[in-house]
Amino acid sequence: GQNIDQPTEMTATEGAIVQINCTYQTSGFNGLFWYQQHAGEAPTFLSYNVLDGLEEKGRFSSFLSRSKGYSYLLLKELQMKDSASYLCAVMDSNYQLIWGAGTKLIIKP
Amino acid sequence: GAVVSQHPSWVICKSGTSVKIECRSLDFQATTMFWYRQFPKQSLMLMATSNEGSKATYEQGVEKDKFLINHASLTLSTLTVTSAHPEDSSFYICSAPLLAGGPHEQYFGPGTRLTVT
Repeated sequence: GQNIDQPTEMTATEGAIVQINCTYQTSGFNGLFWYQQHAGEAPTFLSYNVLDGLEEKGRFSSFLSRSKGYSYLLLKELQMKDSASYLCAVMDSNYQLIWGAGTKLIIKP
Repeated sequence: GAVVSQHPSWVICKSGTSVKIECRSLDFQATTMFWYRQFPKQSLMLMATSNEGSKATYEQGVEKDKFLINHASLTLSTLTVTSAHPEDSSFYICSAPLLAGGPHEQYFGPGTRLTVT
């Protein structure tokens, strides 16, 4: 079956760095997405990786290793507004998105 | 970026009534739209894929006669929850990719919070 695993909840301190991991097992692979979702709101797109390596976009970076079925989202210089759920999603061979359960990130002052 | 709107943003209805939720792509044409449901503290659950001009494709376990989907134009898909029950209370979100059939990011509507009393 298809499966996406990510931690349920993480806590970090304002100004620090946090890494949210995602491992996946899917039928085929057409890229991995990270979305941010604030409580009561719809998800917003953060990043897309289809090749191995690190993609940097401002304070956020996303890494992919296809051979290991592994990705992480790295958030630097954490701000209180970064408190949200972070969703990992993999696009399978049919271009269907398989969603992880999300990681709730709590930022403390 | 592309914009997807949903209407209404929240709705309260009585058990047994029907509710229609609209999803519109405002600045692009969407041949495909996706309908999700999200219960509190849970991730997105894909309910169905809405295809313009053809029947929707429903995920396993989703009753197609209860959740009616109509994708009548390239910018509008509607989800009708028929004979709503309290267990249908949830956050319903639609999304659309700029281009269908490829690894493209999806643009999400703001969601509709449905409460059935």
